[in-house]
Amino acid sequence: EAGVAQSPRYKIIEKRQSVAFWCNPISGHATLYWYQQILGQGPKLLIQFQNNGVVDDSQLPKDRFSAERLKGVDSTLKIQPAKLEDSAVYLCASSDGGESSYNEQFFGPGTRLTVL
Amino acid sequence: AQSVTQLGSHVSVSEGALVLLRCNYSSSVPPYLFWYVQYPNQGLQLLLKYTSAATLVKGINGFEAEFKKSETSFHLTKPSAHMSDAAEYFCAVSVSNDYKLSFGAGTTVTVRA
Repeated sequence: EAGVAQSPRYKIIEKRQSVAFWCNPISGHATLYWYQQILGQGPKLLIQFQNNGVVDDSQLPKDRFSAERLKGVDSTLKIQPAKLEDSAVYLCASSDGGESSYNEQFFGPGTRLTVL
Repeated sequence: AQSVTQLGSHVSVSEGALVLLRCNYSSSVPPYLFWYVQYPNQGLQLLLKYTSAATLVKGINGFEAEFKKSETSFHLTKPSAHMSDAAEYFCAVSVSNDYKLSFGAGTTVTVRA
């Protein structure tokens, strides 16, 4: 089966510019996650969707970050305006959300963002 | 809230030597524990998971991990390192009420020829 797809793979922008990332989860997976991975750290959950509804966005900096999952399939994460500290890899993951799989998450290759 | 601590941000081993990566967890309820591997410029790939069945868990690529409740540990081992094992490894914990993953800071493994 096809894995989680993300684009672009790399993005370089100036601070105060805006940027958007796209994620297409594994077909049939109801749950979608966006993580931020700063160099030298483990991934940190930004937002979790169940179908097209938000389950948890407590760690999302809502003054500059936004995310949507229209129609419960693919998702976009936007940053506007970007700050230097937003430089990181943004990982998308999906799961079937089922207890039988212990909600195993499958990760995409990530988008590496550099803010200059 | 649950958390994990990975001891050692960097481990260097010789090819053919034992690989041992340490992970300790904190959780007020029975945890589920995971080890992920991340190769350069790639996403995370699941190596193995503990879900309250056998305490010794075997994963892909010859890795295994043992859940020790008394020590709150879930250390990852591989008897003989291969050059292809050079990567970053993350330990993660979740619990059954929400299954959200909390990751450790990661351990980078380098393998010397």
